[in-house]
Amino acid sequence: EVQLVESGGGLVQPGGSLRLSCAASGFTVSSIYMSWLRQAPERGLEWVSIIYTGGNTYYTDSVKGRFTISRDNSKNTIYLQMNSLRVEDTAVYYCARVAVYGDGWKPFDYWGQGTLVTVSS
Amino acid sequence: DIQMTQSPSTLSASVGDRVSITCRASQSTNNWLAWFQQKPGTAPKVLIYKASGLESGVPSRFSGSGSETEFTLTINSLQPDDFATYYCLQYSIYPWAFGQGTKVEIK
Repeated sequence: EVQLVESGGGLVQPGGSLRLSCAASGFTVSSIYMSWLRQAPERGLEWVSIIYTGGNTYYTDSVKGRFTISRDNSKNTIYLQMNSLRVEDTAVYYCARVAVYGDGWKPFDYWGQGTLVTVSS
Repeated sequence: DIQMTQSPSTLSASVGDRVSITCRASQSTNNWLAWFQQKPGTAPKVLIYKASGLESGVPSRFSGSGSETEFTLTINSLQPDDFATYYCLQYSIYPWAFGQGTKVEIK
């Protein structure tokens, strides 16, 4: 059974850092594209970042240079290192899979339960 | 960047109604368009991918249509379990972008 479990959220002051983890089971993270998304309180969904099987990474503009997505194949886990955090980064952060099939992609077929990051002084 | 405009933002409907939600992209997405359903306090669930592909296990009353820049999610015969918020997502060009969401409420 596919499962994704995020951890690492919490309260941090503006300018601080946090590392989120997403532990996967039922599949290997090295064989599939993995992504982070977020949802601010009472707001819509926002895509944050993706890591390809080959290691290429992409980010939404507002986090470029501050956030880094990475993967540890031995732990079957992906991470989101968040530096220089801002109040507007406050959100529930989700990890999710991107399935690749035939000639296309199916985004976010499995999600974690989310972890809350609160940036406040 | 591709901007996604979703409408309406809120939709009031009754059980059994047929409802449609529209998503417009600021440029072609080459049909790399997905639809998600989200209920309060839970992670979203994918319903439709590549504009019209029905995700496994999703009831057939959900359907997606459209191409290039204009897409529609249709729910035939709305069921009590369908009252939720729906989002479109373009995954053609980075940064991937969601629409603002449509809340489907009980009339």
